[in-house]
Amino acid sequence: EVRLVESGGGLIQPGGSLRLSCAVSGFTVSSNYMSWVRQAPGKGLEWVSVIYTSGSTYYADSVKGRFTISRDNSMNMVHLQMNSLRVEDTAVYYCVKDDAHFSFWGQGTLVTVSS
Amino acid sequence: EVVMTQSPATLSVSLGERATLSCRASQGVSANLAWYQQKPGQTPRLLIYGASTRATGIPARFSGSGSGTEFTLSISSLQPEDSAVYYCQQSNNMYSFGQGTKLEIK
Repeated sequence: EVRLVESGGGLIQPGGSLRLSCAVSGFTVSSNYMSWVRQAPGKGLEWVSVIYTSGSTYYADSVKGRFTISRDNSMNMVHLQMNSLRVEDTAVYYCVKDDAHFSFWGQGTLVTVSS
Repeated sequence: EVVMTQSPATLSVSLGERATLSCRASQGVSANLAWYQQKPGQTPRLLIYGASTRATGIPARFSGSGSGTEFTLSISSLQPEDSAVYYCQQSNNMYSFGQGTKLEIK
């Protein structure tokens, strides 16, 4: 059974940092593309970042230079390091299995950036 | 950046009728187009990928069509549980979502 479980969200002040984690079971992260998708309260879906099987990473313009996606093959986990957080980064962050379409989603972790 | 535009923003259709949702891409995305359903308080669920292939477990009354820049999601014989927000998403040039169409069942 495929399962993705995010953790690491919380309340953080503007300018702060958070590291989100996604624990995966049912498939191997190193053999799949993995993405992060976010959803601000009451808003639509926004793709954030992807890590390819090659290790190449890509980011939405809105987070480029501030967020870093990585994976831990030994733990079968994916991470999202978020620095220089802004109020507009407030959202539920979903870890997703990326088959070009997003076939499996975690339950999400809420990040609130507020002073 | 590929901009995805969905229409209408809100659609109200009677129970048992057919709903047609549209998605337009600002540039051609071939058939690299997916549709998702999101109900309040739930995570998005993949409905359609490759523009027209139903995901596992999705009822046959959901169908997708289109290629290039114009895409359609059709839902026949609407059921109460189809009330949700529907998003399209392209994966031809990185990824981007439409803003969503809220489907209400009358």
